[in-house]
Amino acid sequence: DGGITQSPKYLFRKEGQNVTLSCEQNLNHDAMYWYRQDPGQGLRLIYYSQIVNDFQKGDIAEGYSVSREKKESFPLTVTSAQKNPTAFYLCASSLQTGAYGYTFGSGTRLTVV
Amino acid sequence: AQKITQTQPGMFVQEKEAVTLDCTYDTSDQSYGLFWYKQPSSGEMIFLIYQGSYDEQNATEGRYSLNFQKARKSANLVISASQLGDSAMYFCAMREKTGRRALTFGSGTRLQVQP
Repeated sequence: DGGITQSPKYLFRKEGQNVTLSCEQNLNHDAMYWYRQDPGQGLRLIYYSQIVNDFQKGDIAEGYSVSREKKESFPLTVTSAQKNPTAFYLCASSLQTGAYGYTFGSGTRLTVV
Repeated sequence: AQKITQTQPGMFVQEKEAVTLDCTYDTSDQSYGLFWYKQPSSGEMIFLIYQGSYDEQNATEGRYSLNFQKARKSANLVISASQLGDSAMYFCAMREKTGRRALTFGSGTRLQVQP
């Protein structure tokens, strides 16, 4: 079955360390997105990519980096520059030209210890 | 810049009753799409309903309907015959069909269905 796989489900990081969150899709979607969600709040866009080898900053890109070397993969690195990285991270994908059809992964809960 | 506003942080409804979750939006685009998602405590995002800005009729999907008032820039979600399993966070979101074409979300409404 097609879908988005995020791993790991839970991640613990020590302060000052970089950590990479995985997002893989087998839907043949062109566009992929990373969102951050803090407790009791909505989703905020970190980065998005509409095509391989290209990506754009979203609303809260500081302290994060991404790559899009393959259509299926859009990993997110949370760097030590991100001052408050503890949050729930959701990856999504969509057809480039579809009216709707966003698919979300099940999320990664990152905790800084 | 596009913006979504959900003014109800929390709502209570009795089982089997209908409930309306409010959503207003702001955009300068003429072409856009409006979405509602349900997020249970597990964290997954479940798509509920979609309304295009040029759709003349309000969208319906089973017990969900979207009360779309374009002039007022509102896109309220109506859930009929509430069930205990409807208890969750509900998010309104918008995508403009030009520009970055990523979903912008509101802050959400936590709905609790009481027996």
